[in-house]
Amino acid sequence: NAGVTQTPKFRVLKTGQSMTLLCAQDMNHEYMYWYRQDPGMGLRLIHYSVGEGTTAKGEVPDGYNVSRLKKQNFLLGLESAAPSQTSVYFCASTRQVFQETQYFGPGTRLLVL
Amino acid sequence: AQTVTQSQPEMSVQEAETVTLSCTYDTSESNYYLFWYKQPPSRQMILVIRQEAYKQQNATENRFSVNFQKAAKSFSLKISDSQLGDTAMYFCAFMAVPGSYQLTFGKGTKLSVIP
Repeated sequence: NAGVTQTPKFRVLKTGQSMTLLCAQDMNHEYMYWYRQDPGMGLRLIHYSVGEGTTAKGEVPDGYNVSRLKKQNFLLGLESAAPSQTSVYFCASTRQVFQETQYFGPGTRLLVL
Repeated sequence: AQTVTQSQPEMSVQEAETVTLSCTYDTSESNYYLFWYKQPPSRQMILVIRQEAYKQQNATENRFSVNFQKAAKSFSLKISDSQLGDTAMYFCAFMAVPGSYQLTFGKGTKLSVIP
């Protein structure tokens, strides 16, 4: 039981490049979330999903897209990376019962040059 | 919208001593949960303690306890018998229920435990 995993762990992009961050959970959780963490800012919600095939915007969604084609996976896409998207990205998930306990992945560090 | 404020960017404590981290929040929701998360240098987010707003009794987990003052919208974390492994960033977080169960985080307090 791996919990929540994120791929890749670290990536360097050039401005304008695109990439996809993958979050996978093996706990059969309904709800999944993408957060970004910047120095001095805490974690902020980018997008979230309350079930397979559904997504919704969080606090800072601009410049990102997401998809939840399979229940266990939640993808975060950057179509045209910008230096302002340099951050650490965390995925989290929670089950339908006792939803208040979120399980976090180890994070993906992204550097956009 | 909810806001979470942690007014202490950095704190330090001597090993074996007690330290209290402050958190205040603002919300119009009636049902919610409050959390303290620990983030050590490994970056992993670790749940330390959780408080249900409808419960008057303060939550405790071993050396960690909270002082929840609902009317004042205050939720402080007390760490007793501080250990070197407690050195980390600590984040206070809010979750309104029911709904999307998303977390709203404070900006964090960097705690250093000094040997």
